Amino acid sequence: DSGVTQTPKHLITATGQRVTLRCSPRSGDLSVYWYQQSLDQGLQFLIQYYNGEERAKGNILERFSAQQFPDLHSELNLSSLELGDSALYFCASSVAGTETQYFGPGTRLLVL
Amino acid sequence: TQLLEQSPQFLSIQEGENLTVYCNSSSVFSSLQWYRQEPGEGPVLLVTVVTGGEVKKLKRLTFQFGDARKDSSLHITAAQPGDTGLYLCAGEYGNKLVFGAGTILRVKS
Repeated sequence: DSGVTQTPKHLITATGQRVTLRCSPRSGDLSVYWYQQSLDQGLQFLIQYYNGEERAKGNILERFSAQQFPDLHSELNLSSLELGDSALYFCASSVAGTETQYFGPGTRLLVL
Repeated sequence: TQLLEQSPQFLSIQEGENLTVYCNSSSVFSSLQWYRQEPGEGPVLLVTVVTGGEVKKLKRLTFQFGDARKDSSLHITAAQPGDTGLYLCAGEYGNKLVFGAGTILRVKS
């Protein structure tokens, strides 16, 4: 158990819909990262938040957005969903920077 | 094109055999990490290497960082079925962690 929690574990939805994925970092960690893992793209970095502020951005689509709240939990919002958005979405946390990241169990999203 | 190229993509071996997984890049990394991921779970950090030429050992696993900090290898001695999983290397590039595509290892008993 990494100490990072993610909900829900599984999510099935339809194209065009919007979903919200939630992540609670390890106690004391200020940075939260979001990743997308698919069979053809591997593990892709989406975005990082540090203490409520966006710190780094990766290959995140404009249809996707994230935020980190004062209690340090984070949400990833995916809208206008397409079939190709089906993937595993991981959240990771670290104390501050990219040193050691601890990954949550992931949310498996299936868009039908 | 992946910034980090891992090889082989897939490896199926018998219990007791040795194996090496490679992670190569044309870019220099300030550090490189190795993770192992099991089905249905998130990646778990195995080791971080920072210094060029550094060698780290974790039981039967030996990790090496290239002298130029562009490549790394993971060697497993006497593989066991419990070593089965996806092995990912990741390099710190700017403020981001960039992952290789991974090596799927299957160890048969």
